[in-house]
Amino acid sequence: GAGVSQSPRYKVAKRGQDVALRCDPISGHVSLFWYQQALGQGPEFLTYFQNEAQLDKSGLPSDRFFAERPEGSVSTLKIQRTQQEDSAVYLCASSLGQVYQPQHFGDGTRLSIL
Amino acid sequence: TQLLEQSPQFLSIQEGENLTVYCNSSSVFSSLQWYRQEPGEGPVLLVTVVTGGEVKKLKRLTFQFGDARKDSSLHITAAQTGDTGLYLCAGFTGTASKLTFGTGTRLQVTL
Repeated sequence: GAGVSQSPRYKVAKRGQDVALRCDPISGHVSLFWYQQALGQGPEFLTYFQNEAQLDKSGLPSDRFFAERPEGSVSTLKIQRTQQEDSAVYLCASSLGQVYQPQHFGDGTRLSIL
Repeated sequence: TQLLEQSPQFLSIQEGENLTVYCNSSSVFSSLQWYRQEPGEGPVLLVTVVTGGEVKKLKRLTFQFGDARKDSSLHITAAQTGDTGLYLCAGFTGTASKLTFGTGTRLQVTL
């Protein structure tokens, strides 16, 4: 498809397990963003890549959260030793990279930690 | 911490009514966007406003960016059931590429 693709759509994990969430951006999009959205709230910024470089990771809540985009295309958000407060929808967005360019969002991964 | 406060938080109206959603901040934004999000989907961009005082109209939706670029509003005329969703304002600060989202306004339009 032509849009941002995220997988899995739903993930259930037990507290303490590690999880990996995948994002396939729109082809040719230079910038890639990860957001965390709690139920009924607006998304909150986690981290941002330009090509393979992680330019801003100021929103990552702890060192249990790690993101990578090794070849400047697909990105993975990894959460180690998950905790219940990690339960949320994780959204990925991509854009062409120029200032104020529209960000195109995927439909998110809903993560539930039991 | 979200710097953009939206009001109201919830709004339930009947089809045909008008409504306004407000987005306020103590910070200056270089650009502001409005998104709509439906359950199980990602946010979809409605509009981008860049200039203080700017007004943009998209069919029944009117967007305004405050003169000081700290606030914005979204006005919907003659709401339809298809307008139902979560409305989010989001701003860019300086030359940063990341978006700061508002707290969201959940709109329900019924027949």
